[in-house]
Amino acid sequence: DIVMTQSPDSLAVSLGERATINCKSSQSVLYSSNNKNYLGWYQQKPGQPPKLLIYWASTRESGVPDRFSGSGSGTDFTLTISSLQAEDVAVYYCHQYYTTPRTFGQGTKVEIK
Amino acid sequence: EAQLVESGGGLVQPGGSLRLSCTAAGFTFNTYEMNWVRQAPGKGLEWVSTISNGGGNTYYADSVKGRFTTSRDNAKNTLYLQMDGLRAEDTAIYYCARQSSLAYWGQGTLVYVSS
Repeated sequence: DIVMTQSPDSLAVSLGERATINCKSSQSVLYSSNNKNYLGWYQQKPGQPPKLLIYWASTRESGVPDRFSGSGSGTDFTLTISSLQAEDVAVYYCHQYYTTPRTFGQGTKVEIK
Repeated sequence: EAQLVESGGGLVQPGGSLRLSCTAAGFTFNTYEMNWVRQAPGKGLEWVSTISNGGGNTYYADSVKGRFTTSRDNAKNTLYLQMDGLRAEDTAIYYCARQSSLAYWGQGTLVYVSS
């Protein structure tokens, strides 16, 4: 199974400052035939289902603010919130859909400092 | 816009059975892989199962293999999760989600396994 490990587990950032979340997979999720990383990032607010932010590791989902960006390849990935807003308080998850069993990171809780 | 609505959750005793449904609207259901993902109270996300767009291929987490069965009725735009032999550790909100990237999620249905 591919193990997804996020860091940190929680993060407190001042409004307007940058938030960075890391995700490391135990095996590469890069499919060589199409050069795509099968990695997504999701935001979950209390009492709501998760929402897709980023797919293919770096493609922003339609309607997602451009302060959210994804980067990385192979086994190391990053979600960056360039200027944290109050509405960004949530838990963020990475997820690999390269192979089954599909797996998620444990989640990173982002709060306002 | 794509919509997914889960139903069928509730309280069930250990060893019991439940069938969840996920009704889809706003997209061509039979062209998408579908997934079940669950979340235990206060915990993270756990992938449960995936079914191919035609229903011919299904995949399961080890934690549910042999107890849960995923199926779909493309004529009814509906995804199902048959859960047998339920255990306390299956207590969770169960979400259905569209495609491998989990681009759309339903609101979830709560399954509570307790005597």
